[in-house]
Amino acid sequence: GAGVSQSPRYKVAKRGQDVALRCDPISGHVSLFWYQQALGQGPEFLTYFQNEAQLDKSGLPSDRFFAERPEGSVSTLKIQRTQQEDSAVYLCASSSENYGYTFGSGTRLTVV
Amino acid sequence: DQQVKQNSPSLSVQEGRISILNCDYTNSMFDYFLWYKKYPAEGPTFLISISSIKDKNEDGRFTVFLNKSAKHLSLHIVPSQPGDSAVYFCAASADNQGGKLIFGQGTELSVKP
Repeated sequence: GAGVSQSPRYKVAKRGQDVALRCDPISGHVSLFWYQQALGQGPEFLTYFQNEAQLDKSGLPSDRFFAERPEGSVSTLKIQRTQQEDSAVYLCASSSENYGYTFGSGTRLTVV
Repeated sequence: DQQVKQNSPSLSVQEGRISILNCDYTNSMFDYFLWYKKYPAEGPTFLISISSIKDKNEDGRFTVFLNKSAKHLSLHIVPSQPGDSAVYFCAASADNQGGKLIFGQGTELSVKP
């Protein structure tokens, strides 16, 4: 596609519910990144893939967060047993080289 | 530990004047710096970048200045236009970090006609 596509755009989850957020990167982009942006803050790094390999997951806040990119294209960020503090915008970005980022519009997650 | 800081949450400027957005960092391993612009309900879009081997990079109305000794960078927009109103994020990366970016908190720029 022409850009990075994220779905859903908005998600309301009840506390304790599991959610799955999808990212369709730009075709051919090797690198894929997930960031979390809390209200009034800058994006914070969660995890990074190069093709299907997850090379850095140091930013995942807890073991309730899990990301995968099984075929080196689409990626899913899964959050188990959501908590209120998980409420944020989750941004996905893809890149064909280290610094050529293109961000998607994000998924706004609200945990109630 | 906030490695990249934007100490001004907001800035208001008159159309046609210069906008100066500031950013400070603490990690001396950072070697590449970027500015992103974000409109509501959209993802950040890349604006301009600078490598640590330079002290200035210019692209049209946008210029980024880097002062390594002070660990400070700034984005100048001149002349400012109402369409420049957005949140601006400064970000930094280190060569050994695989492209991972560390962002500041953002500065909301408002350009008034």
